[in-house]
Amino acid sequence: AQSVTQPDIHITVSEGASLELRCNYSYGATPYLFWYVQSPGQGLQLLLKYFSGDTLVQGIKGFEAEFKRSQSSFNLRKPSVHWSDAAEYFCAVGNNAGNMLTFGGGTRLMVKP
Amino acid sequence: DAGVIQSPRHEVTEMGQEVTLRCKPISGHNSLFWYRQTMMRGLELLIYFNNNVPIDDSGMPEDRFSAKMPNASFSTLKIQPSEPRDSAVYFCASSLGQGAAGYTFGSGTRLTVV
Repeated sequence: AQSVTQPDIHITVSEGASLELRCNYSYGATPYLFWYVQSPGQGLQLLLKYFSGDTLVQGIKGFEAEFKRSQSSFNLRKPSVHWSDAAEYFCAVGNNAGNMLTFGGGTRLMVKP
Repeated sequence: DAGVIQSPRHEVTEMGQEVTLRCKPISGHNSLFWYRQTMMRGLELLIYFNNNVPIDDSGMPEDRFSAKMPNASFSTLKIQPSEPRDSAVYFCASSLGQGAAGYTFGSGTRLTVV
């Protein structure tokens, strides 16, 4: 069965600082990996996804993520955080068809001025 | 495209009442998913449809919950009778193909059962 672990429940960073959110997955085959962001009172918005090819993927809002098979990780990064990035971030893994996504527990990001 | 549309945005009901949540997926998407989000359990997949057919409903908590998709543009999630522990945000999401493109989520329905 597939699973996702986001080890950090809360992270606080200063505006302008760099950000890395951790995601570890468990899946027997090549995974489909996703990062979503959820602002308060809103649904989840897709930031980026990885299926194959280049292991560094670029997403919206200046985010990127790197797939590391050896570490079963798909960490999300941003070089300089903006106050508007404060939200909850979810990592998800899908099966070989990409359906039946399994979500991690989420990481809540707070940004200090 | 208006995105995935859910209604109502908020619902407050008394225990024992029937509740119906509605979802209109993105036109052309052929997979539809119902999720429940709570602080304690996070995001839980309740059921998903492909081409209007329920494929996996193993996440539906109990017989009080039922979901239908009578056509490609409409789905409902019904709880009868509702209980306070059903209070949560319910999300509908749709996708093209089998979801490889990623889901598009609606804004959710916040259900409060008192």
